[in-house]
Amino acid sequence: NFMLTQPHSVSGSPGKTVTISCTRSSGSIASNYVQWYQQRPGSSPTPVISEDRQRPSGVPDRFSGSIDGSSNSASLTISGLKTEDEADYFCQSYDSNNYVFGGGTKLTVL
Amino acid sequence: EVQLVESGGGLIQPGRSLRLSCEASRFTFDEYAMHWVRRAPGKGLEWVAGISSNSGDIGYADSVKGRFTISRDNARNSLYLQMDSLTLEDTALYYCATYSHDHPLFESWGQGTLVTVSS
Repeated sequence: NFMLTQPHSVSGSPGKTVTISCTRSSGSIASNYVQWYQQRPGSSPTPVISEDRQRPSGVPDRFSGSIDGSSNSASLTISGLKTEDEADYFCQSYDSNNYVFGGGTKLTVL
Repeated sequence: EVQLVESGGGLIQPGRSLRLSCEASRFTFDEYAMHWVRRAPGKGLEWVAGISSNSGDIGYADSVKGRFTISRDNARNSLYLQMDSLTLEDTALYYCATYSHDHPLFESWGQGTLVTVSS
């Protein structure tokens, strides 16, 4: 089994851009798709990125995803930060009927 | 819009059992794989168990294998999680979630039911 490692926290000012990384411990990041979920305080998680870089219906294009084979990591980038983006963000991938979440990153919009 | 309503959580002593339920509505339940995901206080999300649409394929996280059992009743549009031999580490908010047909994604989530294991 592999692990996904995220920074504990990131912050940014309204209107700015932040990037959250998600590093896979073993096996290629490209071997299984990476998804990203947003969880606001007191709410359930909602998906914001599927299959490395696809936005589910209704997710604004300020949210984008990518993967980088050289660092074996995925990234979630949020541009034009809004106060409503303040939340916990989790990456997630899978491998033979096992689903793995990253530890989560708390985004603070200052 | 998909509706998932979990129930059955509560305060329970270590070693005891608890059964969670998830009632689904506003979508064709028997066409979707379903999962349980939990979030312990101060921790991140953890996948617990999943079941295919016809119950033919079932999987568990290593942390619950042999203690938890996932099941579903398509006639009742319901998903279940039987939790036995509970430990303090099982304390968490438990969510049920649909798994998308088209994308490898936990698509819709319930509001969660809180399980607190304490003596």
